[in-house]
Amino acid sequence: DAGVIQSPRHEVTEMGQEVTLRCKPISGHNSLFWYRQTMMRGLELLIYFNNNVPIDDSGMPEDRFSAKMPNASFSTLKIQPSEPRDSAVYFCASSGNLGTIYEQYFGPGTRLTVT
Amino acid sequence: AQTVTQSQPEMSVQEAETVTLSCTYDTSESDYYLFWYKQPPSRQMILVIRQEAYKQQNATENRFSVNFQKAAKSFSLKISDSQLGDAAMYFCAYNRRGQFYFGTGTSLTVIP
Repeated sequence: DAGVIQSPRHEVTEMGQEVTLRCKPISGHNSLFWYRQTMMRGLELLIYFNNNVPIDDSGMPEDRFSAKMPNASFSTLKIQPSEPRDSAVYFCASSGNLGTIYEQYFGPGTRLTVT
Repeated sequence: AQTVTQSQPEMSVQEAETVTLSCTYDTSESDYYLFWYKQPPSRQMILVIRQEAYKQQNATENRFSVNFQKAAKSFSLKISDSQLGDAAMYFCAYNRRGQFYFGTGTSLTVIP
């Protein structure tokens, strides 16, 4: 298994631009999580999906952030418009069914720099 | 709400020695799962060990073991015979019904 795949691995963009981060979960996993990691705030859960349905998006910072999961094998996290304070490493993780003991498997992360 | 606390922002250990990283959590549930993740400089989050709350026996994985004290809501990680490759950020995590909560991490330095 290739594990959780994220793209791009690095993204540099200018303030005001739209940024789209992509994630492919492990096949068979039906929970998907988006995290943001910064030195100041540590690892923050932004949103998670179960069976392609958003379950909890209370961690999404503001309306500039949106996430979708159109099918079981693909998810996107979009920031529009981007701001310098959005600079962080964004992780996608997947796991098995809610209520089970499956641990999360993380992707390699996308390092976003907004100038 | 569930919270996970790692009170040691930084720890250091001599190579080949043993180190223990602390983690406490807050929950009113009796059925849950606990994990330790390692994040080396590559940033990849790697699962180190997991513990099911219903199991009294402490989990072990080679040089890694946990001390799970359910009543005290404590879940510490012991690394024996520390190696240079163990240098990383370590995160404690709590999981119940698919919802994960992570601690703020402990940065471990291994001194040659």
